Amino acid sequence: EPEVTQTPSHQVTQMGQEVILRCVPISNHLYFYWYRQILGQKVEFLVSFYNNEISEKSEIFDDQFSVERPDGSNFTLKIRSTKLEDSAMYFCASRVGGGPYEQYFGPGTRLTVT
Amino acid sequence: GIQVEQSPPDLILQEGANSTLRCNFSDSVNNLQWFHQNPWGQLINLFYIPSGTKQNGRLSATTVATERYSLLYISSSQTTDSGVYFCAVERVLAAGNKLTFGGGTRVLVKP
Repeated sequence: EPEVTQTPSHQVTQMGQEVILRCVPISNHLYFYWYRQILGQKVEFLVSFYNNEISEKSEIFDDQFSVERPDGSNFTLKIRSTKLEDSAMYFCASRVGGGPYEQYFGPGTRLTVT
Repeated sequence: GIQVEQSPPDLILQEGANSTLRCNFSDSVNNLQWFHQNPWGQLINLFYIPSGTKQNGRLSATTVATERYSLLYISSSQTTDSGVYFCAVERVLAAGNKLTFGGGTRVLVKP
């Protein structure tokens, strides 16, 4: 069964460094998402992406964040200058269409900022 | 935005017991999903259930969209059922088709 994959599974970085989290969505899916979960809290929406542009972003998704689909298979989340409060689990998700379809989640990348 | 409330927040079960988890939401939805977050933090899709009833092994779920709630049933619980259960909803005409998650129910199944 097709699945969403994410790399790396765990990344440790120093405050102020740039990080890129990578995702490979399911191949025929057209809508892509990033969500974040700070330890012990609920999962929060960050951004949705369709047709090579952001369709919606939350207030968390400020100028330090960016997303890109650099080729036909990868979907990336970049944090330009990491802060301690960016430490969280980051989930990528995708779905086939814009209607009420199921979103498929990847296993997550645990980001630790020291 | 839409509010999603899950109850109870915590649940301790003896192995073999049955339980019901509840998800209430404040607006009309066209997507509802249940997830199990395992000890490694991964979100495992359990059900995509915007309405009706589905069953998968010892788990089943029912969504009554007109009354704005969904229930997840765990029967004959096992220690591997431990973890956090989240429901997530997509409000009708939600910008970006985003999912809004509830706060979760933390389940501990004791042997």
